[in-house]
Amino acid sequence: AQSVTQLDSQVPVFEEAPVELRCNYSSSVSVYLFWYVQYPNQGLQLLLKYLSGSTLVKGINGFEAEFNKSQTSFHLRKPSVHISDTAEYFCAVRPPSNTGKLIFGQGTTLQVKP
Amino acid sequence: DTGVSQDPRHKITKRGQNVTFRCDPISEHNRLYWYRQTLGQGPEFLTYFQNEAQLEKSRLLSDRFSAERPKGSFSTLEIQRTEQGDSAMYLCASSGGGFGNEQYFGPGTRLTVT
Repeated sequence: AQSVTQLDSQVPVFEEAPVELRCNYSSSVSVYLFWYVQYPNQGLQLLLKYLSGSTLVKGINGFEAEFNKSQTSFHLRKPSVHISDTAEYFCAVRPPSNTGKLIFGQGTTLQVKP
Repeated sequence: DTGVSQDPRHKITKRGQNVTFRCDPISEHNRLYWYRQTLGQGPEFLTYFQNEAQLEKSRLLSDRFSAERPKGSFSTLEIQRTEQGDSAMYLCASSGGGFGNEQYFGPGTRLTVT
């Protein structure tokens, strides 16, 4: 079975500082990897995804993530955050089943302070 | 394309009552997913439809829960004899094409059981 661990429940950071949100996964088979963002009272929005190929994936709003197979990690980074990046961030994996269901981590709250 | 919509956005009900939620996916999407999200946790997979066929159900989906997708369009999720533990955000997502395609999430229905 697959699982996802987001190592930090909350990450406070000052505006314009860099940030890294950590995600580790467990799986005995190859999986697809995703990062979603959830703003208050809204649904989840896809930031980026890794399916195959280059291990550095660029997404929307200046975010990027690096897939590390040996460390089973998929950490999310942004070089300079804005107040508007304050939100809940979820890492997810998709097992190689024929349904496409997602398995999510517990989430990390990014709090950007002025 | 107005995205995935869910109705109602909020539902307060008394323990023991039945509730039904509706999800309207993006029109050309043949895959539809239901997830449940409790406070401070990531979404958990409940069930999956491909067109009108319900192809997978989670162990979380007890016999009090039933989902349908008649004619492969909108979907409903019914909870019978609600319990306080059913209080959560119920999210619907849809996707089309291959398994690498993005799941688009609706805004969710927040259920409170008193």
